Amino acid sequence: DTGVSQDPRHKITKRGQNVTFRCDPISEHNRLYWYRQTLGQGPEFLTYFQNEAQLEKSRLLSDRFSAERPKGSFSTLEIQRTEQGDSAMYLCASSPALAGGRDEQFFGPGTRLTVL
Amino acid sequence: QQPVQSPQAVILREGEDAVINCSSSKALYSVHWYRQKHGEAPVFLMILLKGGEQKGHEKISASFNEKKQQSSLYLTASQLSYSGTYFCGTPPSGNTGKLIFGQGTTLQVKP
Repeated sequence: DTGVSQDPRHKITKRGQNVTFRCDPISEHNRLYWYRQTLGQGPEFLTYFQNEAQLEKSRLLSDRFSAERPKGSFSTLEIQRTEQGDSAMYLCASSPALAGGRDEQFFGPGTRLTVL
Repeated sequence: QQPVQSPQAVILREGEDAVINCSSSKALYSVHWYRQKHGEAPVFLMILLKGGEQKGHEKISASFNEKKQQSSLYLTASQLSYSGTYFCGTPPSGNTGKLIFGQGTTLQVKP
């Protein structure tokens, strides 16, 4: 297994368009996370799944954002009616869901979104 | 509540040591340390759990002081490859997988 993969790596879109990103986690990992990172900041939590169940979603996340993880494998993150403020690096991470706080999250390379 | 990292930036010469701190105003359940190089994804370094200290790879180690609600990352005899931005991440409670990350500490190691 080569790790977490994301597609596309770069996306340029015009304001108001919809975009969808895909994340393929490490195959044996049950948990999948989406984070957003802007320049000079740490990753900001968006949402996460355990298998196909979406366990938590950030209260800061607009209704324009939606994520799915059908069949508990890959995940998609969709942003509707994009705004310039959505420009950021969107990071996906996965983890094996170990108990006791030992759950290591491994990040993918990210999708850089630019909204014009 | 976002953890606070200090310092914000460090410049070192090869072979020098550095300490990066991560503190929280709330109880820390665990602390995850990552290093991110420019344009790349964060790379996992280590996890520190309550009641214990876990050493990572290379000459990088860390400690976890529960009473002070603080973790420190120690980089010994720094190498050029240590350059990057270091983030600590903490779960806001004991029953969630999400991490809240600090704002990062940028480390530059010069020859």
